[in-house]
Amino acid sequence: RKEVEQDPGPFNVPEGATVAFNCTYSNSASQSFFWYRQDCRKEPKLLMSVYSSGNEDGRFTAQLNRASQYISLLIRDSKLSDSATYLCVVKPGTGGYQKVTFGTGTKLQVIP
Amino acid sequence: GAVVSQHPSWVICKSGTSVKIECRSLDFQATTMFWYRQFPKQSLMLMATSNEGSKATYEQGVEKDKFLINHASLTLSTLTVTSAHPEDSSFYICSAPPVRARPTNYNTEAFFGQGTRLTVV
Repeated sequence: RKEVEQDPGPFNVPEGATVAFNCTYSNSASQSFFWYRQDCRKEPKLLMSVYSSGNEDGRFTAQLNRASQYISLLIRDSKLSDSATYLCVVKPGTGGYQKVTFGTGTKLQVIP
Repeated sequence: GAVVSQHPSWVICKSGTSVKIECRSLDFQATTMFWYRQFPKQSLMLMATSNEGSKATYEQGVEKDKFLINHASLTLSTLTVTSAHPEDSSFYICSAPPVRARPTNYNTEAFFGQGTRLTVV
């Protein structure tokens, strides 16, 4: 089993739609979780951290379910500019000097 | 915020030659630098961790003699792909942990270089 698993997609959704991605992780001791966005041939950029209580940033909502070992990302009112690959990232602890493990990414294509 | 500058952004080289990729931390000291490789439609895979002033730590399956890492200063880490072959063609990207702004800072993100797209012909 991979350490971090994501559905690769692609998810093709119309503008304005709501779309959700899930990501499962195998290490129950993992402490830090993030969603990154990667545009084609670019470096990943932090979209949002995922907190235990769940958190929201505008149209984006992230949830963590430790019991089932998954995190989710919900995007409401999809925009064309949301088209990208979304990477789930897991760290074993909270410190900065630790390896992170990336999921394979889920590709989102928002269609006009 | 902290910036990591990676150079070159793309390179095409002949099979058998060596290519050096540089990552510089511009406004902070990076004692640690992570080097990743990403093949098309695959996730970022950690290749090695470089630490300033000491030997790099390589992940299982990564040839240390082929991928030479040097972290000679607190602001510069380099990855040299030696005797490159077409199968080494990939997207290489570095990442440095941020400097902690506060002792209670947590859930810190990683700062990435812009990536280098290597094509070996």
